[in-house]
Amino acid sequence: SAVISQKPSRDICQRGTSLTIQCQVDSQVTMMFWYRQQPGQSLTLIATANQGSEATYESGFVIDKFPISRPNLTFSTLTVSNMSPEDSSIYLCSVVGPSGGSEQYFGPGTRLTVT
Amino acid sequence: LAKTTQPISMDSYEGQEVNITCSHNNIATNDYITWYQQFPSQGPRFIIQGYKTKVTNEVASLFIPADRKSSTLSLPRVSLSDTAVYYCLVGVWDTDKLIFGTGTRLQVFP
Repeated sequence: SAVISQKPSRDICQRGTSLTIQCQVDSQVTMMFWYRQQPGQSLTLIATANQGSEATYESGFVIDKFPISRPNLTFSTLTVSNMSPEDSSIYLCSVVGPSGGSEQYFGPGTRLTVT
Repeated sequence: LAKTTQPISMDSYEGQEVNITCSHNNIATNDYITWYQQFPSQGPRFIIQGYKTKVTNEVASLFIPADRKSSTLSLPRVSLSDTAVYYCLVGVWDTDKLIFGTGTRLQVFP
């Protein structure tokens, strides 16, 4: 299975500021996913990040608010822009597992609190 | 996009077998069925994946009937450390959006 790390693990930010979350994978992967998980809730897919192309965003998420970069096959960033308290969540990145299907491996998450 | 339905919560005791069933009536031909475990403050962890019949690994078994409209995750002899949320996911990463359902919160008591 892939080993995924995220930075930072947690942060407390002021409203109106932006935070960039990094996701690093120990192997080359074609697709990476970014999820948001609000306290006590399930995971919500934000976007799919392909290397060399624009990210594909899910309904309710826009590039201006959550810009994503995917400069190579092992790294991606998600920026949460112009933050408000409603953006307080855990943000997770994931990659597809070697067996394909719907197998994914997740990073440990970034816990964001916006005050 | 196959929608999944799971029980919101389940309780068990240490040493018992736990079976969590997931309904996915509109599963597509190419869809796989995958289960994840999530502890508080951690990302979900892949447990097991199957397409049809039965799959077993060192952690769990996955039973899938012939019509594939449901699946059952079986955890043998649970321990306190199995207390977690379990998610059923149905789809294929390259043709589908991998959407998580509400999950089942399993509480194991001593």
